[in-house]
Amino acid sequence: QKEVEQDPGPLSVPEGAIVSLNCTYSNSAFQYFMWYRQYSRKGPELLMYTYSSGNKEDGRFTAQVDKSSKYISLFIRDSQPSDSATYLCATSQGGSEKLVFGKGMKLTVNP
Amino acid sequence: NAGVMQNPRHLVRRRGQEARLRCSPMKGHSHVYWYRQLPEEGLKFMVYLQKENIIDESGMPKERFSAEFPKEGPSILRIQQVVRGDSAAYFCASSPMDRGLNTEAFFGQGTRLTVV
Repeated sequence: QKEVEQDPGPLSVPEGAIVSLNCTYSNSAFQYFMWYRQYSRKGPELLMYTYSSGNKEDGRFTAQVDKSSKYISLFIRDSQPSDSATYLCATSQGGSEKLVFGKGMKLTVNP
Repeated sequence: NAGVMQNPRHLVRRRGQEARLRCSPMKGHSHVYWYRQLPEEGLKFMVYLQKENIIDESGMPKERFSAEFPKEGPSILRIQQVVRGDSAAYFCASSPMDRGLNTEAFFGQGTRLTVV
């Protein structure tokens, strides 16, 4: 079983839709949870990170972590064509500098 | 992430040649991480370095791969005797000295290595 599983998609939605991206993980020791956005041919860009369980909101983006079910989610409200990118979830253990990434989900928002 | 500079952006090597990938961290950052992204795969951790020290190389292949981060100059990821399976995008990330938290890591644009 991979440490972090992410549905690779692709996912295509109309502009204005609510997008839900999800990952599951297997290692209970993971404490930090991140979402990165990667545009084509570019480096990953940190969108949000959460420590332990709970929700975190930043503008149109909301990150959720449920440690009991080992499930992490990213919600994008009022999606825009500029949100079209690959979204990667990542986790790490406390004190570890190593990030474990999901495969990434390619999102296309159609105008 | 424009602050982390990687060069070259694209590198073509013939099988058996050496590849050298360079990474200059953001100003004030003394922690460097290297990740590899194979086609249709997520990023895989390779190595974590501080100035003149390798902290964690658990993701580095046992042979042909090495990394350094000297006191002066960029971090170098070196791949000797490249094979076609080494073709990938290699990303460098850096984080500040006083925290070193992976949540603070900023990625470069990557070097795309093609082995022919």
